[in-house]
Amino acid sequence: AQTVTQSQPEMSVQEAETVTLSCTYDTSESNYYLFWYKQPPSRQMILVIRQEAYKQQNATENRFSVNFQKAAKSFSLKISDSQLGDTAMYFCAFMKSQGLKYIFGTGTRLKVLA
Amino acid sequence: NAGVTQTPKFRILKIGQSMTLQCAQDMNHNYMYWYRQDPGMGLKLIYYSVGAGITDKGEVPNGYNVSRSTTEDFPLRLELAAPSQTSVYFCASSYGGSGTEAFFGQGTRLTVV
Repeated sequence: AQTVTQSQPEMSVQEAETVTLSCTYDTSESNYYLFWYKQPPSRQMILVIRQEAYKQQNATENRFSVNFQKAAKSFSLKISDSQLGDTAMYFCAFMKSQGLKYIFGTGTRLKVLA
Repeated sequence: NAGVTQTPKFRILKIGQSMTLQCAQDMNHNYMYWYRQDPGMGLKLIYYSVGAGITDKGEVPNGYNVSRSTTEDFPLRLELAAPSQTSVYFCASSYGGSGTEAFFGQGTRLTVV
């Protein structure tokens, strides 16, 4: 069975600084997908970034980028130039190729300080 | 563009009562999901559906039932509510399942007293 671990329950960062959120996962699959979702105080979750395991290049979306280390089964999220609106709970998620279900980590609560 | 709509947003139930959480999506997505979110536990899958008339259990299905009579709607039924069902419930949908983005509703905060 696949598992997703987020070892940082809470983090804080100063506005305009850079922060990295950690995620590790366990799977015997060779092909899969990894996601970072953001859950702001409004509760509605939105996709931040997605990575396909067979792509070696790390995904990037504006200020958000990932460091995908397949051998280490690590998938960290880097937020550059942090903004107050980045304050949220961040969930790492896994889905195996041809899979139907998302498996979520326990989340990291990020607070951006003014 | 409504996306995924959940109703109600908040509800308090007494032990033993029943209720249905409604979920509707207007994106013509085949796949729909129900998750519950408990503090420090992440999201746990309750039930999912890959199309109208097809549903399957997730990790934590006990105490819940679902149906999928149309592509748009995926209601979650709680029978005989228990305090352990106090949680925030999220409905989500996606177009193609594997690797595709899931779109979430705003959640229903349910308290069983």
